[in-house]
Amino acid sequence: AQKVTQAQTEISVVEKEDVTLDCVYETRDTTYYLFWYKQPPSGELVFLIRRNSFDEQNEISGRYSWNFQKSTSSFNFTITASQVVDSAVYFCALSEVRDDKIIFGKGTRLHILP
Amino acid sequence: GAVVSQHPSRVICKSGTSVKIECRSLDFQATTMFWYRQFPKQSLMLMATSNEGSKATYEQGVEKDKFLINHASLTLSTLTVTSAHPEDSSFYICSASKLARKTQYFGPGTRLLVL
Repeated sequence: AQKVTQAQTEISVVEKEDVTLDCVYETRDTTYYLFWYKQPPSGELVFLIRRNSFDEQNEISGRYSWNFQKSTSSFNFTITASQVVDSAVYFCALSEVRDDKIIFGKGTRLHILP
Repeated sequence: GAVVSQHPSRVICKSGTSVKIECRSLDFQATTMFWYRQFPKQSLMLMATSNEGSKATYEQGVEKDKFLINHASLTLSTLTVTSAHPEDSSFYICSASKLARKTQYFGPGTRLLVL
């Protein structure tokens, strides 16, 4: 069965600190997709990244970076030099090839303190 | 591109009335649309998957007669909450994906309050 675990329910850091959000997943498939979405207080989910299971290259986009490690079934997300605008709930998600559904983790609520 | 809109953004209604929520993909054709429900401080719960021109597939525990879903075109899906009750109050979010693509793009959500 597929499952996404975000063990950190809530994190608070002071602005400009780096912060890593953990994500561990379970799937029986060899081909799958991993996602990160951001949900700011307004409620709209913002797509951040999609990763295919056969591409283990880490990715960097500005202050955001993602570390995908198949060996540990993890897809962690790091924000460098955090800003108050990064405050949001971040969801990690998994989708298997067999269907179009996305399974979401419970989310990590991130507070960036000024 | 990949913009999804939802209307209305917020609705308050009396118990027993029906409420329709629209989800539109503005700049792409969405072969599949999804409807989620989210309670405060919780994750998204998938309610149903709808493909254009066919009946929606509901998740276990979701009443299909209560939550009517129509996906009449490649850019529009509607969710109708029939005979709404206070326990139906929630944040409803739709998403849309392009043909053969896995990424879902989400609408801004609709906050429903049933009095």
